[in-house]
Amino acid sequence: DSGVTQTPKHLITATGQRVTLRCSPRSGDLSVYWYQQSLDQGLQFLIQYYNGEERAKGNILERFSAQQFPDLHSELNLSSLELGDSALYFCASSVETGGSIQYFGAGTRLSVL
Amino acid sequence: AQSVTQLGSHVSVSEGALVLLRCNYSSSVPPYLFWYVQYPNQGLQLLLKYTTGATLVKGINGFEAEFKKSETSFHLTTPSAHMSDAAEYFCAVSTPSGSARQLTFGSGTQLTVLP
Repeated sequence: DSGVTQTPKHLITATGQRVTLRCSPRSGDLSVYWYQQSLDQGLQFLIQYYNGEERAKGNILERFSAQQFPDLHSELNLSSLELGDSALYFCASSVETGGSIQYFGAGTRLSVL
Repeated sequence: AQSVTQLGSHVSVSEGALVLLRCNYSSSVPPYLFWYVQYPNQGLQLLLKYTTGATLVKGINGFEAEFKKSETSFHLTTPSAHMSDAAEYFCAVSTPSGSARQLTFGSGTQLTVLP
């Protein structure tokens, strides 16, 4: 158990809908990262937050947004969903924003029908 | 920009045989290097990491990797494969991105261990 909690584990929704994925980092970790894993794109970094502030941005679509709350949990919001958004979404956390180890949650599997 | 290439998307070995999973990276600055393992329906788990210092890094489950700067490689090995090693393995490179460090993953290598 990595200590990173992601909910829900599975999400099935329809095209055009909006969903929210939630992540609770390990106790004491200030950084949260979001990744998307799909068969065709592999594991792609989406966005990072550190202590409530956006710190780095990767290949995140404009339809997607994230935030980190004062209690350090994070949410990834996906809107106007398309079939191609079906993927496994991982959250990871680390102590700080440098070279520290990222600990991964078990992921949320999103299926867009 | 940094990148990671994992040669061989699928590797099959017999139980007890040597495992070699290849990883080459591209980075304009000294990188931090990682190997993660993903078991079916689970998240990624860190096997080992290299930041600075000794170039031969030992990790969990009997795995080790050697950082070779001249070859820009960070290959993962274990001397004797176990059935429980069957999983997908990801090499990753971390380089500075502003005040943060961004982790870039390779495309993964699926390891199959044959009885």
